Amino acid sequence: EAGVTQFPSHSVIEKGQTVTLRCDPISGHDNLYWYRRVMGKEIKFLLHFVKESKQDESGMPNNRFLAERTGGTYSTLKVQPAELEDSGVYFCASSHPGTGELFFGEGSRLTVL
Amino acid sequence: GENVEQHPSTLSVQEGDSAVIKCTYSDSASNYFPWYKQELGKRPQLIIDIRSNVGEKKDQRIAVTLNKTAKHFSLHITETQPEDSAVYFCAVSGYSTLTFGKGTMLLVSP
Repeated sequence: EAGVTQFPSHSVIEKGQTVTLRCDPISGHDNLYWYRRVMGKEIKFLLHFVKESKQDESGMPNNRFLAERTGGTYSTLKVQPAELEDSGVYFCASSHPGTGELFFGEGSRLTVL
Repeated sequence: GENVEQHPSTLSVQEGDSAVIKCTYSDSASNYFPWYKQELGKRPQLIIDIRSNVGEKKDQRIAVTLNKTAKHFSLHITETQPEDSAVYFCAVSGYSTLTFGKGTMLLVSP
């Protein structure tokens, strides 16, 4: 069974540019989460999809971040325009309904210069 | 919202020693407490979890204890090995999202 996959693994952009991160969850997992880890800090929650609906987006830092999950399959997270403080590793995770275990992707490292 | 504190931030031990990592949380309604291990450059992976109706759970060299009254839980690794070196994250949830601690970098020296 394929795990959670994320693309790109690493992105380097300049301040003001746009980046779109993609996550493909495990097939059949309705729950999809985006998290971010800034160096040395906690893995911080950004938002949670159940199928195509945003269940909780309380962790989204501001309106420069836009997450979508059209059709309830893969998800994208767009940062526009990127700022220096957006640098970090963006993790996607998925889970099966009714279970607590999150399955993480390997993360997308974003560096904003 | 939930607040999770994790200590220590770094932990160095000799191979064969035990390692203990502790977490406290704020929301008494929380009922699920997993631990994730992240090796360098790899994804976080669940290594053990415990639910609030259980005080202790063990899986080979790894154990987790939970004190709901005090709102803290701990990860215990016995007979540590170099391959245990990684960042360990505790997490807490109630009914939906997980809140993570800041992580503990464990270094096991041969």
